[in-house]
Amino acid sequence: SAVISQKPSRDICQRGTSLTIQCQVDSQVTMMFWYRQQPGQSLTLIATANQGSEATYESGFVIDKFPISRPNLTFSTLTVSNMSPEDSSIYLCSVEEGGRREAFFGQGTRLTVV
Amino acid sequence: AQRVTQPEKLLSVFKGAPVELKCNYSYSGSPELFWYVQYSRQRLQLLLRHISRESIKGFTADLNKGETSFHLKKPFAQEEDSAMYYCALGRLGSGGSNYKLTFGKGTLLTVNP
Repeated sequence: SAVISQKPSRDICQRGTSLTIQCQVDSQVTMMFWYRQQPGQSLTLIATANQGSEATYESGFVIDKFPISRPNLTFSTLTVSNMSPEDSSIYLCSVEEGGRREAFFGQGTRLTVV
Repeated sequence: AQRVTQPEKLLSVFKGAPVELKCNYSYSGSPELFWYVQYSRQRLQLLLRHISRESIKGFTADLNKGETSFHLKKPFAQEEDSAMYYCALGRLGSGGSNYKLTFGKGTLLTVNP
């Protein structure tokens, strides 16, 4: 099973600034996913990141706000740009390995915007 | 549009009692249903999936297409079952690409001694 390291585990940021979250996987994977979990809410898919192509964003999420990089098959970053308190959430990186349709998750990044 | 509903945010039972966590879904295609679990201070992980038809840690879940449900059951709850449980529906994205998961809001199960 894939092991995912996500950094930072938590951060407190000032509004108007940006934070980049890193996701490192111990094996090569085709698809990486970024989720947001707002307080008391479910996990919501932000975007799917495939290596070598533009990320695919879900309805309600745009590249200007959540730019994503996927430079290789083991790494991705999600940036939360121009943050506001409404962006306070847990952000999760996930991968699906080998077509087994089992999702593996990072430990999450708890973001608080003040 | 696909939707997953978990009607109970909180569920509390005593050790040894039966437990059932409810999950209903809405999806026009052929669904793949999963239960994910998050124990305290651990990351989210797969518990079971309907296509495997297996029992994991004593838990089972049967897909009922007529009732569009995928309830999670265990006959005798244990304290170590206390965790957050998420029901999830898997489907292919538009154009048949990218397998995606839609999650319910989760049920926090507490098993009391």
